[in-house]
Amino acid sequence: NAGVTQTPKFQVLKTGQSMTLQCAQDMNHNSMYWYRQDPGMGLRLIYYSASEGTTDKGEVPNGYNVSRLNKREFSLRLESAAPSQTSVYFCASSVTGQPYEQYFGPGTRLTVT
Amino acid sequence: GNSVTQMEGPVTLSEEAFLTINCTYTATGYPSLFWYVQYPGEGLQLLLKATKADDKGSNKGFEATYRKETTSFHLEKGSVQVSDSAVYFCALASNYQLIWGAGTKLIIKP
Repeated sequence: NAGVTQTPKFQVLKTGQSMTLQCAQDMNHNSMYWYRQDPGMGLRLIYYSASEGTTDKGEVPNGYNVSRLNKREFSLRLESAAPSQTSVYFCASSVTGQPYEQYFGPGTRLTVT
Repeated sequence: GNSVTQMEGPVTLSEEAFLTINCTYTATGYPSLFWYVQYPGEGLQLLLKATKADDKGSNKGFEATYRKETTSFHLEKGSVQVSDSAVYFCALASNYQLIWGAGTKLIIKP
């Protein structure tokens, strides 16, 4: 039981490049989330998926797209990376009915130069 | 809007010292409150929670009491260990999302 896994762990991009961050969970959770963590700002929700087939914007969705590929997988795409997207990205999941008790992956540290 | 304010870190303590990390919130009504912990190099994990006023959440020797009079949910531990070194996040429940504090880094020296 791996919990929530994220790939890659580290990534360096040049401005304008694109990439997809992958997330998968093996806990049979319905809800999944993408956050970014910046120094002194806590976590900010980018997008979430309450169930397979649905996605919704969070607090900071601009510059990002998501895909809920199936119940296990939820990917985050940066179409044209900008230095302001330099951050640590966390994926999380939760059981239906318990949206506030979330299980987190180890994070992806992204640097955009 | 809803918000969470945590004391700034880092907080540096010696092993076996008493710990308090302050957390206050602004919210409509009485939302559930949470403490999450992030150990070095790992994702966050739920530490404890309280779902209504005057509730006390506890786990791994940590405690926090939901105080509506002072809109606070301070995290306490009687005797910290080096292994408690981590970043601690306070959060409140709001419309099926969590509103997060900025996090407080705790450093415990042997």
